[in-house]
Amino acid sequence: DIQMTQSPSSLSASVGDRVTITCRASQGISNSLAWYQQKPGKAPKLLLYAASRLESGVPSRFSGSGSGTDYTLTISSLQPEDFATYYCQQYYSTPQTFGQGTKVEIK
Amino acid sequence: EVQLVESGGGLVQPGGSLRLSCAASGFTFSSYAMSWVRQAPGKGLEWVSAISGSGGSTYYADSVKGRFTISRDNSKNTLYLQMNSLRAEDTAVYYCAKTNRWAWSGKTLIDYWGQGTLVTVSS
Repeated sequence: DIQMTQSPSSLSASVGDRVTITCRASQGISNSLAWYQQKPGKAPKLLLYAASRLESGVPSRFSGSGSGTDYTLTISSLQPEDFATYYCQQYYSTPQTFGQGTKVEIK
Repeated sequence: EVQLVESGGGLVQPGGSLRLSCAASGFTFSSYAMSWVRQAPGKGLEWVSAISGSGGSTYYADSVKGRFTISRDNSKNTLYLQMNSLRAEDTAVYYCAKTNRWAWSGKTLIDYWGQGTLVTVSS
């Protein structure tokens, strides 16, 4: 199985801050990497796929980058509605696996 | 609008069984592989199972293989998860999820999630 390691596990930030979350795969996943946002008590929501492609309707302040084993989610200017937990996921092979999550909290 | 509505969760004793259902609408159900993903209380996401658009191919996590069975009824636009020999570690919210392709394979992306149904395994 491919192991996904996210960092940090949590962070505190202010509205307007630039936030970066990283995800490392235990082997190359050829950009088959998605990012999901989950708010408390809600289902995950797809933000980006193929490492850098923005899902329809997702604000452009979200962006993704990376290749091989290392990937990054960036929120260019954190908004109040962005406080949530973010998960990376590889869909390169079965079983699909998720990072452990990064909780973005209000500073 | 894609809608996925899970049902069938509840409290069950260890060793017991439960069948989850997921009613789908807003898309051509038979054209897409479907999946189940679970989340234990306060924990992260764990992929559980997937099924191709026709139902002819199924896939399972090692943690549930031999105990869980995924199936679908394309005439009813409904996905199922039959869970047998349940254990305390199966306690989780179970999410039904739509994918972006007919087949489950590399490059198959989960793009929509239901709201989930809670399964609690406890005596």
